[in-house]
Amino acid sequence: QSALTQPASVSGSPGQSITISCTGTSSDVGNYDLISWYQHHPGKAPKLMIYEGSKRPSGVSNRFSGSKSGDTASLTISGLQAEDEGNYYCCSYAGSTTWVFGGGTKLTVL
Amino acid sequence: QVQLVESGGGVVQPGRSLRLSCAASGSTFSGHGMHWVRQAPGKGLEWVALISYDGSNKYYADSVKGRFTISRDNSKNILDLQMNSLRVEDTAVYYCARFTGDDSSGFFDYWGQGTLVTVSS
Repeated sequence: QSALTQPASVSGSPGQSITISCTGTSSDVGNYDLISWYQHHPGKAPKLMIYEGSKRPSGVSNRFSGSKSGDTASLTISGLQAEDEGNYYCCSYAGSTTWVFGGGTKLTVL
Repeated sequence: QVQLVESGGGVVQPGRSLRLSCAASGSTFSGHGMHWVRQAPGKGLEWVALISYDGSNKYYADSVKGRFTISRDNSKNILDLQMNSLRVEDTAVYYCARFTGDDSSGFFDYWGQGTLVTVSS
């Protein structure tokens, strides 16, 4: 499978909202409501931020939200904070017990 | 708190083998499927392999099928990845990740910090 397509970078000022897109195909993102999002700081363990498209694990701020339309999923972070900086990856189930990740988006808080 | 700690990475020549391990603590290891995910330098994450909670089912990405073998020892809370016939393109940080859900629907809820594998002559 080909990797899901994410913007290489996004940025925003503290307090603003940003959205990271994740575009796949009708074989993955468009066919399953099984999108998850991960925050990753180099050298650290990735952290689950959103699962099943829009659900937040316990402990994740409600500033993080997820959605999907067609073959594109989105992660929105509202009220940006400096601690939100990092790399974000989307992931989709791709059928036949395989998964596909996005190329990653580097978020910079200005 | 769930902890996953990978080990076994290093520098290896093309065509050689390497075995990675992931030690789990803080949860019921045997109740969850476990995955390996890797990240090549400057690239995104790539799913590598899945083993079901009891080890009865194993699945692999096409890029490693036939060369890599995932296994687990639930008595020791250990996940392994045997990597044979290594290629330069297998160079990556390898992460183990716990999966919550069944084999086809779920999410990676805990990850380790990764171990670096460098394949180079």
